[in-house]
Formats: sequence, structure tokens, C-alpha cells
Amino acid sequence: GAGVSQSPSNKVTEKGKDVELRCDPISGHTALYWYRQRLGQGLEFLIYFQGNSAPDKSGLPSDRFSAERTGESVSTLTIQRTQQEDSAVYLCASSLRADYGYTFGSGTRLTVV
Amino acid sequence: AQSVTQLGSHVSVSEGALVLLRCNYSSSVPPYLFWYVQYPNQGLQLLLKYTSAATLVKGINGFEAEFKKSETSFHLTKPSAHMSDAAEYFCAVSLYGNNRLAFGKGNQVVVIP
Repeated sequence: GAGVSQSPSNKVTEKGKDVELRCDPISGHTALYWYRQRLGQGLEFLIYFQGNSAPDKSGLPSDRFSAERTGESVSTLTIQRTQQEDSAVYLCASSLRADYGYTFGSGTRLTVV
Repeated sequence: AQSVTQLGSHVSVSEGALVLLRCNYSSSVPPYLFWYVQYPNQGLQLLLKYTSAATLVKGINGFEAEFKKSETSFHLTKPSAHMSDAAEYFCAVSLYGNNRLAFGKGNQVVVIP
């Protein structure tokens, strides 16, 4: 597609429920990233996929968080047993080369009540 | 490890005045440097980037930034602020050949009429 697409754009869930967030990167972009942005704060790196290499999961905050990517296409970020502190905007980005920078999606705003 | 410092989380500027946002990085090798802008309820949009060509880089919306290796800086400027420049601005750095970006904490710019 023309840009990075994320769905849903907004998600309200009850504490303790599982949620799944989806990211459709730009076609042909080998790298895909997930970031978290809490209210009034910067971007917190979560996970990075590069082609068929093992993902860099060093930013995942707990074992409740996981992500998958099929080849060089869609990625899903799953949060199990959501907590109120998981409330944030989750941003996905993709890139082709390091010197091109990232193209970001519009994000998923997650609210845990 | 690379890191990015942006001082002053909130920056107020009068309409028509100079916009100056400071960014310093720590890196032992030549980096790629980026500025992103985030408008309310949107993802991040690339403003401009430095990738070892000209040290003065021009971006969209009248913004420019200068790479100064001796000062490890990449400050963002715009000669005359417009109301539409109200947004959050993020500086980011990646090491040469490394596809992953490290982001600063961001500057929230408020334009005063």
C-alpha cells in the first residue's frame, strides 16, 4: 500500500483482557518496528523485525507482550492480560534502508479501563 | 550505544519568530540523523534527514537543520514560526548501517499568536 496502515485506530478494553494490534507495512519494506508512546512521553522501542532474521525483542516490557510478523508483511502485536499502565498509543513503522528513515502509521490508541 | 538529547520538553515561540530546537547525540561513528514531526492524533512524519551528504539539510514546511560533527549536534530551525507549526518534534539517530533509530524525548512546540 501507499503507507503504513494500523488497525484498529482506537481500542478500549477491560483490564485483564487480551488485545491484538495489527500493522500493514509498506510493500517491500524489510524492516518493521513497534513503539509505544505514553501520554506526554517520547517513543519507547518495543520490537524490531528485519527480513527473516530473529526479531530484536529487547524493548518488550514484560512477557505479556509478544509480536509476530509473517515474512515481510503484516505484523501483530499482542498484549495479554492488559493492565492500566498499558494504555498508550502503539506506533508501527517500516523502512527499506537505514538512510531512508522510517515511515510511521497513525497508531492505535489503546485504553485499558 | 547511541543516545539523543533534546532539552526543554515544551517550547513556546511567537508567531513570526525563529524556531530553534536543539538536538545532541552521542555516537562514536558517523550517524544518520532525522527530525520527525507529530501533529495531534497522528503518527510521526519525516521532516528532514542527514545521511553524510551536505551538512545543511532542508526539509518540508520551511525547516532546516545543520549537522555539526564537532558539536555532535543537529539543531532544527525555521526562520519564521507559523501557527501550523504547533506540534511535537522528535530528533532521532541511527548508526551508519544500523536500521534501528533511537529517539529523543521530543519538544512540544506552542506557537503564540
